[in-house]
Amino acid sequence: AQKVTQAQTEISVVEKEDVTLDCVYETRDTTYYLFWYKQPPSGELVFLIRRNSFDEQNEISGRYSWNFQKSTSSFNFTITASQVVDSAVYFCALRLTGNQFYFGTGTSLTVIP
Amino acid sequence: GAGVSQSPRYKVAKRGQDVALRCDPISGHVSLFWYQQALGQGPEFLTYFQNEAQLDKSGLPSDRFFAERPEGSVSTLKIQRTQQEDSAVYLCASSLLLGNVYEQYFGPGTRLTVT
Repeated sequence: AQKVTQAQTEISVVEKEDVTLDCVYETRDTTYYLFWYKQPPSGELVFLIRRNSFDEQNEISGRYSWNFQKSTSSFNFTITASQVVDSAVYFCALRLTGNQFYFGTGTSLTVIP
Repeated sequence: GAGVSQSPRYKVAKRGQDVALRCDPISGHVSLFWYQQALGQGPEFLTYFQNEAQLDKSGLPSDRFFAERPEGSVSTLKIQRTQQEDSAVYLCASSLLLGNVYEQYFGPGTRLTVT
């Protein structure tokens, strides 16, 4: 069975603090993709990053960085110097060759000015 | 339009009523997906299409749920005899083609409340 766990339900940080959102996944497939999406109050899911199971290289994009570790089945997301506009619900998701997503339950991030 | 659009954005239905939710994918996108997002949860897969063909409907929770995409573009998710447990946000996504190299672009969702 496929499963994505986001243990942190809600996180609050003060603006300019760094914050890491945790994601742990389960699958027996050897080929899979991992994603992070941002869901602002407007409701749309905004794509942030995709990583395939064969690429464990960490990635940095501006204030965002991702740490993929197959050994611990984790794909954590760090926001550096958080801003109020980062406040949203963040979803980690797993996608197999069957195309559909398996989403975690989300982490609600509040950045306090 | 530039993105995926869904209508209506909000729908209130009395228990037992039928509802129809519409999704307009990005022009030219072959694949279309429907997800159900309950309050405080992540989206859960319902069904997907490639053009007009419904390739997977394993996520539809009951036979009261029906989706169609007759001309391979606009899709409608129909829920018959709505129940309170159907209250959720219904998200539609489209992608250029099937396959993990193609991004799924999500619409804003339709929030269905069954009273």
